[in-house]
Amino acid sequence: DTEVTQTPKHLVMGMTNKKSLKCEQHMGHRAMYWYKQKAKKPPELMFVYSYEKLSINESVPSRFSPECPNSSLLNLHLHALQPEDSALYLCASSQGQGVDSPLHFGNGTRLTVT
Amino acid sequence: GEDVEQSLFLSVREGDSSVINCTYTDSSSTYLYWYKQEPGAGLQLLTYIFSNMDMKQDQRLTVLLNKKDKHLSLRIADTQTGDSAIYFCAEGHTNAGKSTFGDGTTLTVKP
Repeated sequence: DTEVTQTPKHLVMGMTNKKSLKCEQHMGHRAMYWYKQKAKKPPELMFVYSYEKLSINESVPSRFSPECPNSSLLNLHLHALQPEDSALYLCASSQGQGVDSPLHFGNGTRLTVT
Repeated sequence: GEDVEQSLFLSVREGDSSVINCTYTDSSSTYLYWYKQEPGAGLQLLTYIFSNMDMKQDQRLTVLLNKKDKHLSLRIADTQTGDSAIYFCAEGHTNAGKSTFGDGTTLTVKP
């Protein structure tokens, strides 16, 4: 079982819907991440939170809006998505933010945009 | 820029050894990671190696690092059907989230 929990596991939404993805970790990690993964591809970094502050936005469209309510929780708010946004969205955390900090991933939310 | 390359597919028989290879370009890489992704799941850290090491062994897993050739390999001894998955090699980065991943090697283990 992964120590990073993501909900929901699956989500189908229309292009006019608003939905949120949730991620929770209780390992005391201070860095949390959102990744997007297309089939048979490596994960692509979207956002980095460090000590609950957004530190990196990899030029992600504004229809994706991250939020970090506290050190254990990370949300990704979705609005007016496009079909090409369909993918597996992975949350990850790490103890620190340095090169010696391996990433701990959740099992992801499989998103389908219709 | 950084680039990490892996062969895309590997097929082995149950009980054989598997060797998954990875090459990287950033000679300043200090940590190199191996992650495993099973169908329908996220990535799971398998092992990692620090650049001052040539080899690291952890039960059935052996990681070899050739810094001169910038080549990393993961050997799985006595491969089992449960080892079937995608294996990603990754270079650590000063910001952990910006680690560079290879495209992944799909390992298929046949009974």
